[in-house]
Amino acid sequence: QKEVEQDPGPLSVPEGAIVSLNCTYSNSAFQYFMWYRQYSRKGPELLMYTYSSGNKEDGRFTAQVDKSSKYISLFIRDSQPSDSATYLCAMTAAHGSGNTGKLIFGQGTTLQVKP
Amino acid sequence: DAGVIQSPRHEVTEMGQEVTLRCKPISGHDYLFWYRQTMMRGLELLIYFNNNVPIDDSGMPEDRFSAKMPNASFSTLKIQPSEPRDSAVYFCASSFQRQGGSKAFFGQGTRLTVV
Repeated sequence: QKEVEQDPGPLSVPEGAIVSLNCTYSNSAFQYFMWYRQYSRKGPELLMYTYSSGNKEDGRFTAQVDKSSKYISLFIRDSQPSDSATYLCAMTAAHGSGNTGKLIFGQGTTLQVKP
Repeated sequence: DAGVIQSPRHEVTEMGQEVTLRCKPISGHDYLFWYRQTMMRGLELLIYFNNNVPIDDSGMPEDRFSAKMPNASFSTLKIQPSEPRDSAVYFCASSFQRQGGSKAFFGQGTRLTVV
């Protein structure tokens, strides 16, 4: 079993829809959770960064972390065609725990937002 | 800062040849990661360094793969001999961690094709 599981999709939605992307994980030592966006033929770019449980909002994007369920989500409101990309979740353990700094990614979910 | 710089951007080589991929991390970053990305397996962590020291190379697929970081501003990933199944996009990323957590920044990747 992989440490981080993410449905690869593809996910296709109409413009303006609310998008929900999710990951589950198995390692309870993970404390830092990230979402990366990757456009075709580009490197991943950091989109959202959260520590421990809770919500974080940035414009149309909201990241949620539920450590009790080992489940993280990314919501995109009012989705735009420019949001079409692959979204990867990533996580790492707390400083001082084993393998500090080891950044593990999910498979990535391909999203297409149709005009 | 120019970001993480990788070279070459594209590499086409024949099976059996040696391939060397290069990475210049962001100045001041103390972690460096090498990832491989394929459609089938997603983004896989190959090896990562902390302060130029390899911390975890458990993702390196075979002895044909080796990585070095002779100083804080340069790292190489070498494949010798190369095989067609090594064809993938190889990404280098760097981050700065103090209290834990990781905001890793990626290069544009090297697209390797082994024929």
